[in-house]
Amino acid sequence: QIQLVQSGAEVKKPGASVKVSCKASGYMFTSSGMNWLRQAPGQRFEWMGFISTSDDGRNYAQNFQGRVTMTTDTSSATAYLELRSLRSDDTAVYYCAKEGGSDWGQGTLVTVSA
Amino acid sequence: DTVMTQTPLSVSVTPGQPASISCKSSESLLHSDGKTYVYWYVQKGGQPPQLLIYEATKRFSGVPYRFSGSGSGTDFTLQISRVEAEDVGVYYCMHSLPGWTFGQGTKVEIK
Repeated sequence: QIQLVQSGAEVKKPGASVKVSCKASGYMFTSSGMNWLRQAPGQRFEWMGFISTSDDGRNYAQNFQGRVTMTTDTSSATAYLELRSLRSDDTAVYYCAKEGGSDWGQGTLVTVSA
Repeated sequence: DTVMTQTPLSVSVTPGQPASISCKSSESLLHSDGKTYVYWYVQKGGQPPQLLIYEATKRFSGVPYRFSGSGSGTDFTLQISRVEAEDVGVYYCMHSLPGWTFGQGTKVEIK
């Protein structure tokens, strides 16, 4: 079955960067792009962007332009999200979700605290 | 940007009774390809969301028949015909293309 397995929880200081991974299995990785989203405590889901796993085309949400980079490694069927210049309000659970919306990773808690 | 507004934000339902959640968008969600890219999810506990309905009215594989989606244009509804204890969770509507925009969520509890 399709699985998206994300890396473990992270604690970062303000100004630092974080890189979250999402390893896919159970389907052809390059057949579906990957979305990244986050859910801060008490907030609705926030879409961060999309990366095509076939041609590396990217579409970042305006709120994250300049601070986010999404990449893929097709050899390991893994997608990556890097977020830089972290602030306390970046504290959230970060999710990868396969194009189409039917499959999500389990989530990665990123805590930004001095 | 499109805004998705759900009502109610919380509902308490007696098992076996119906429940209905409304989702209104700030603009028409009918895409130029004729489809309406509205989805409904449920999030239980600390789990990621589970897809229930896609393209406004289509039940996702394995989703019980008591869940149905309806609506078009700017007004959409998720209905649960007879709520069961396992249906407890937070329900979200979502619009894609462009990007993914979510409603604020509706908490469903059992009386």
